[in-house]
Amino acid sequence: NAGVMQNPRHLVRRRGQEARLRCSPMKGHSHVYWYRQLPEEGLKFMVYLQKENIIDESGMPKERFSAEFPKEGPSILRIQQVVRGDSAAYFCASSTYVEEKLFFGSGTQLSVL
Amino acid sequence: GDSVTQMEGPVTLSEEAFLTINCTYTATGYPSLFWYVQYPGEGLQLLLKATKADDKGSNKGFEATYRKETTSFHLEKGSVQVSDSAVYFCALSVETSGSRLTFGEGTQLTVNP
Repeated sequence: NAGVMQNPRHLVRRRGQEARLRCSPMKGHSHVYWYRQLPEEGLKFMVYLQKENIIDESGMPKERFSAEFPKEGPSILRIQQVVRGDSAAYFCASSTYVEEKLFFGSGTQLSVL
Repeated sequence: GDSVTQMEGPVTLSEEAFLTINCTYTATGYPSLFWYVQYPGEGLQLLLKATKADDKGSNKGFEATYRKETTSFHLEKGSVQVSDSAVYFCALSVETSGSRLTFGEGTQLTVNP
């Protein structure tokens, strides 16, 4: 049973470009969470999704950021017109509905030049 | 709102030393408490958890006791190893947030031989 898979592992973008981060949850998990880890800081919640639904996006910046978890395929975190302050590690986690335990992916390190 | 406060790091110890990493929390509900560990270049892994007052979570020689009266969940290990060098995160979740976690800032532990 593969774990949570994130890709790419490292992503380099220039200011103004778009960044797309992908997350495939563990088999049987229908709940996905995205967290952001800025340098020297802890993880901050961004968004919580179930298949085809955004449940809680209270941690998402109001502009340029969006997330989806389609019926088929991975969850996508999309950042439009990236700025240097978006440089961070983005972690995805998945869970089953009733469990509190989250399984984390290895993260995507986004670097904005 | 919910929050987690960890002792400031980094922490540097010699092998076989005793480890304590302090963690206190505030929560609107009755939280579950967690310690996660992040090894270099990897995602977070659940180290241990406790779901109700006076519960003790334990794993790999690490322990933490859920103290409701002091709103604390301090991590301890009697004899650390070089392989324990990592970043340790205290976290909580409350029923109303599902599996969403609120993390502390993280504490970098370095164990020297």
